[in-house]
Amino acid sequence: AQKITQTQPGMFVQEKEAVTLDCTYDTSDPSYGLFWYKQPSSGEMIFLIYQGSYDQQNATEGRYSLNFQKARKSANLVISASQLGDSAMYFCATVHFIQGAQKLVFGQGTRLTINP
Amino acid sequence: GAVVSQHPSRVICKSGTSVKIECRSLDFQATTMFWYRQFPKQSLMLMATSNEGSKATYEQGVEKDKFLINHASLTLSTLTVTSAHPEDSSFYICSGGRGSQETQYFGPGTRLLVL
Repeated sequence: AQKITQTQPGMFVQEKEAVTLDCTYDTSDPSYGLFWYKQPSSGEMIFLIYQGSYDQQNATEGRYSLNFQKARKSANLVISASQLGDSAMYFCATVHFIQGAQKLVFGQGTRLTINP
Repeated sequence: GAVVSQHPSRVICKSGTSVKIECRSLDFQATTMFWYRQFPKQSLMLMATSNEGSKATYEQGVEKDKFLINHASLTLSTLTVTSAHPEDSSFYICSGGRGSQETQYFGPGTRLLVL
């Protein structure tokens, strides 16, 4: 079964500093994908970044990058130059394909607070 | 990116009534839509997978007769909470993708409060 573990329930970071949010995964699929979503207090889930298990390079999207270490089964999210607006819940998820359709399995989330 | 809307954003209802939540993909066709439930300070839990023109696939432990899902078109899926009770109060979020193996884009969610 697929499982995502986020060991940091809360993180506090000073504005403009970089922050790393941890995510480890366990999957039986030979090919898989990993996602990071941001959930502000409004509740919407905002897609940030995706990493495929066979991608040769770590994914990057603006200030977001994914530190993908396949041997360690980790997919940590790195946010550079943090901003006050980055304060939110962050969820790591893996996609599990079953009967041709995908299902997302989420971790418990990390609440990130950016201090001015 | 792809835009998904949900309506209503908030709803308060009396115990025993039914509530319908709509999920629409605004700028793409979603063959598959997903319905999630999120309790306060918890993660999202998949309730069911909604396929256009066919019956929804429910996750273990989710009552299909209580949470009715209809996916009548490629841009609309609805979730009806029948005979709602206070324990059904939660945040319900839908998502959809352009294909069954594409990135899922989420709606803004619906907060349901059953009194």
